[in-house]
Amino acid sequence: GENVEQHPSTLSVQEGDSAVIKCTYSDSASNYFPWYKQELGKRPQLIIDIRSNVGEKKDQRIAVTLNKTAKHFSLHITETQPEDSAVYFCAASKRSNQFYFGTGTSLTVIP
Amino acid sequence: DVKVTQSSRYLVKRTGEKVFLECVQDMDHENMFWYRQDPGLGLRLIYFSYDVKMKEKGDIPEGYSVSREKKERFSLILESASTNQTSMYLCASTGFTEAFFGQGTRLTVV
Repeated sequence: GENVEQHPSTLSVQEGDSAVIKCTYSDSASNYFPWYKQELGKRPQLIIDIRSNVGEKKDQRIAVTLNKTAKHFSLHITETQPEDSAVYFCAASKRSNQFYFGTGTSLTVIP
Repeated sequence: DVKVTQSSRYLVKRTGEKVFLECVQDMDHENMFWYRQDPGLGLRLIYFSYDVKMKEKGDIPEGYSVSREKKERFSLILESASTNQTSMYLCASTGFTEAFFGQGTRLTVV
């Protein structure tokens, strides 16, 4: 099966700085890579996703990049704000009934 | 509005009890999942179902079973609860891509 590794496990940044979270995957057939944000006490929610036919996708302050050759993808958050503090999960999928999640990154944005 | 609803936010059960966690989705999704979330271990898949009465084991199925008698409902069963099953349990469903999560059930086994 797929193996998704996520780093770092914890990340602290000053407000206004950028944050980068990296994931690697093992199955070259995976073709869908979503990122989920889980605020304290709440359910994970999709914030951005990318498919294997695209190298980069942006949505305001967040962006995701994908390197299929190296089998890694990254989440970039610019101009971080305190409300960005949460746990972030990456995932890899090749079918809608198979999602493999990373172990999560706890991001703290220091005001 | 998309909804995945878990029957309880918090549960406290005794060792050896049979425990039922219920999950209902209203999106007519084929696929439903049960995950366990523990600090430092992320989301670990217990079981998933891709159709009514169909189920597949995930990465950590030991001590758990599931039931899917109707498309909208997916139940997780702890046959004989143990203290090492104290955890946050998350249900999810998917259509073609995005996974939608329930609000989670914090289970404590004493």
